[in-house]
Amino acid sequence: SQQGEEDPQALSIQEGENATMNCSYKTSINNLQWYRQNSGRGLVHLILIRSNEREKHSGRLRVTLDTSKKSSSLLITASRAADTASYFCATDFSNTGANSKLTFGKGITLSVRP
Amino acid sequence: NAGVTQTPKFQVLKTGQSMTLQCAQDMNHEYMSWYRQDPGMGLRLIHYSVGAGITDQGEVPNGYNVSRSTTEDFPLRLLSAAPSQTSVYFCASGRTDTQYFGPGTRLTVL
Repeated sequence: SQQGEEDPQALSIQEGENATMNCSYKTSINNLQWYRQNSGRGLVHLILIRSNEREKHSGRLRVTLDTSKKSSSLLITASRAADTASYFCATDFSNTGANSKLTFGKGITLSVRP
Repeated sequence: NAGVTQTPKFQVLKTGQSMTLQCAQDMNHEYMSWYRQDPGMGLRLIHYSVGAGITDQGEVPNGYNVSRSTTEDFPLRLLSAAPSQTSVYFCASGRTDTQYFGPGTRLTVL
């Protein structure tokens, strides 16, 4: 069964706007990661947040984690047409925290209109 | 570095045929994994390895075998292909803070 559930399933915004995507999960995690997938391509790692962290930034990306609510959000600021892709959250449920066993959500399709 | 490479990119099989999907990485990563992605779904873990000689099952292992004789290679074998195995297969390698994914193999089983 899939641990992560993203929300919304699809998001369409205008270039320059911010995009907020949410992810909820069910059980305790070592870390939570966000990936991007362009159409027909492999996944690209965006950012990882550990269970003892609340917020991380990377360029135009900001991710938050609320372990009490078992949820995370990914904010992309000043979106660009090139951000159009599917975005997945993934949780690491390996016993060792080795990041070797990831569970992915079904993904969010983000469309950024020029 | 080539990163994670997968061959072939496309494959069509008939029900009952067997084949091996190849995966190689040149980043000296200990961790390697195989996932499948079906339409409208996220990735589901098939098998994974935490080092040469060590493999374990993921969420959907039935119908697949793996072995890890070297750090670089992690082949996935389909023993007797079934239409339900039609999917896109991704190999990944990584360490504790990130995973690197290959470009995928699109498999169709008729």
